[in-house]
Amino acid sequence: ETGVTQSPTHLIKTRGQQVTLRCSSQSGHNTVSWYQQALGQGPQFIFQYYREEENGRGNFPPRFSGLQFPNYSSELNVNALELDDSALYLCASSLKGPSSGNTIYFGEGSWLTVV
Amino acid sequence: DQQVKQNSPSLSVQEGRISILNCDYTNSMFDYFLWYKKYPAEGPTFLISISSIKDKNEDGRFTVFLNKSAKHLSLHIVPSQPGDSAVYFCAALLNDYKLSFGAGTTVTVRA
Repeated sequence: ETGVTQSPTHLIKTRGQQVTLRCSSQSGHNTVSWYQQALGQGPQFIFQYYREEENGRGNFPPRFSGLQFPNYSSELNVNALELDDSALYLCASSLKGPSSGNTIYFGEGSWLTVV
Repeated sequence: DQQVKQNSPSLSVQEGRISILNCDYTNSMFDYFLWYKKYPAEGPTFLISISSIKDKNEDGRFTVFLNKSAKHLSLHIVPSQPGDSAVYFCAALLNDYKLSFGAGTTVTVRA
């Protein structure tokens, strides 16, 4: 039990639609990162939010966007959904600092299917 | 760019014996290395990490070894238990914000 919660757990969307995924970070953590995991692959970094601002981004197009709120929870928004966006979306919570490598915990993920 | 590689997609080990999982990386700037365990339909569970300034870290049955000159790390699980059957991911942290993952190694512990 990591204390990182994600919602919804499963959802199905149609190509072209928009989706919002939510994440509540572990108590005491101030940083949220989002990852996409396709079947048979390792998770791929989408972006990180720290102090309500984007703090680094991976190789994902601008239709992937996010928010972080004052309570450190976060949203991932994906516009104009494509079939290849079907994946497990993972939220990771951490406390930024010199020992952050000891404190990165993941939620259970949100399974997105685009049809 | 695949900066973290797990070259063994699967590993089968007998219960009670040692499981050794390997990971190679290319970027010498990584700050931390982490191992995660993942069951199907669940998120990754943090197992153990090691700072780039250390060469060994131990936590119960799990030990991680880091060889910086070879850009190689390994996870040892002793003794292996049936509940250890899962996919194991090696990950490396860069600049305190981005984790790069390997493709995973599926471990099967035989009774």
